[in-house]
Amino acid sequence: NAGVTQTPKFQVLKTGQSMTLQCAQDMNHEYMSWYRQDPGMGLRLIHYSVGAGITDQGEVPNGYNVSRSTTEDFPLRLLSAAPSQTSVYFCASSPERAGYHEQYFGPGTRLTVT
Amino acid sequence: AQKVTQAQTEISVVEKEDVTLDCVYETRDTTYYLFWYKQPPSGELVFLIRRNSFDEQNEISGRYSWNFQKSTSSFNFTITASQVVDSAVYFCALSEAYSSASKIIFGSGTRLSIRP
Repeated sequence: NAGVTQTPKFQVLKTGQSMTLQCAQDMNHEYMSWYRQDPGMGLRLIHYSVGAGITDQGEVPNGYNVSRSTTEDFPLRLLSAAPSQTSVYFCASSPERAGYHEQYFGPGTRLTVT
Repeated sequence: AQKVTQAQTEISVVEKEDVTLDCVYETRDTTYYLFWYKQPPSGELVFLIRRNSFDEQNEISGRYSWNFQKSTSSFNFTITASQVVDSAVYFCALSEAYSSASKIIFGSGTRLSIRP
C-alpha cells in the first residue's frame, strides 16, 4: 500500500518557469489538500479538494492552480514560479472532511526557485 | 477565525527530562478537533493524536500525554523521560467541524532537541 506519493522529491526552477507537482493516493480518499511549509510558519493550506471535480482555495492560493479529475490524483501547478514559492510542499489525503479523521501526508517536494 | 499558537519556537532538554509543548487555540465553533503531528529530521509528518472538543479527558500513550483544557483553550503535549529519538518539530493543529472550508490550521511548530 503506497499511501500518498509525491513527485518529484526535489526541483529547482528559474523565475517564470511553470511546473506541476504530482500527488497521488491509493486509499480511495475523498479529501485531498496541498500545504506549503516555510521556516517558522508551520504548514499553510494552498488548495484543497473534497472530491473529484471539486476544489477550493486555502490560505495561500495565489500563484497556484489545482484540478481534481480523478479521486486518486491532485496535481498542483505553479503558473509562473517566483522565489517566494521556494518551500517544501506536502500533499495530504483523508477519508473524511478535515478534522473528522487524521490526514495522511506524502513525503514532500522541496522546491527551489532561483 | 481559527488560530493556533505555539509560542515555544525551540526547546532543548537533556535526555530523560520531562518536557511540555504548549498549544493555544482560538475558534468560534463549539465543535472542533485538535491534533498533534510530529516531523522528525527525515521530514515526513507523523500523526500523533486527534481530540474532539467534547472529550476533555486527558490521554496517555506510553511516554506521551496530552492535557486538553477548554477553559484555557489549550492542548498541551508532554513527553516523559525524553529520548533522543523524540527530537523533532511538533505541530499542533485545529479543525472546525462545521467549517465550510473543511481545513486544518497548523501552528508554527516547536522544534524539540533532546541532548544525550
